Amino acid sequence: KAGVTQTPRYLIKTRGQQVTLSCSPISGHRSVSWYQQTPGQGLQFLFEYFSETQRNKGNFPGRFSGRQFSNSRSEMNVSTLELGDSALYLCASSPGQGPGEQFFGPGTRLTVL
Amino acid sequence: KQEVTQIPAALSVPEGENLVLNCSFTDSAIYNLQWFRQDPGKGLTSLLLIQSSQREQTSGRLNASLDKSSGRSTLYIAASQPGDSATYLCAVRRGGGSQGNLIFGKGTKLSVKP
Repeated sequence: KAGVTQTPRYLIKTRGQQVTLSCSPISGHRSVSWYQQTPGQGLQFLFEYFSETQRNKGNFPGRFSGRQFSNSRSEMNVSTLELGDSALYLCASSPGQGPGEQFFGPGTRLTVL
Repeated sequence: KQEVTQIPAALSVPEGENLVLNCSFTDSAIYNLQWFRQDPGKGLTSLLLIQSSQREQTSGRLNASLDKSSGRSTLYIAASQPGDSATYLCAVRRGGGSQGNLIFGKGTKLSVKP
């Protein structure tokens, strides 16, 4: 069974631009969560989607948004990029409605110049 | 507010040694606890998941325990190998029904010397 895939793996943007990251969960998984990892703050929760609905959101500004499609694939968007948005963005999938084991993708490394 | 702490932040041991990594959390109302491994610049690999009703889980050379009442978990690695070198992260999933994101500690960076 294929694992969680994330595209692109690396991205370089400049301040003020926007970016879209994509995540394909493990086949059959319906829940997708996004996390931001930085050296200073560690791993922080962004949002979680289940059946195309956002059911949980972390403490990030409105510039960070996401969505989930009917095939469970998810995208997150960051608008008006800031230098501090440079981070590893990780996507995780889990099977169903309950808080089961989460499986992470390889991440997208975003660098904002 | 749930906080997760991992001690030590870094650990260096000679190959073959048994070792224990510690994780503590401030709110015992958790749904489960998960241990992960992260290699430099990579994603997270799930090692063990312990449900709140369980006391321990084992997988190969790894054994994780959970004491909810004291807010502690330990990850025991037997007969360590250089390939075990990585950062180990502990995360708790808060209770309260089907919702609840993972809250992570900052990790323990393990180095196993040949």
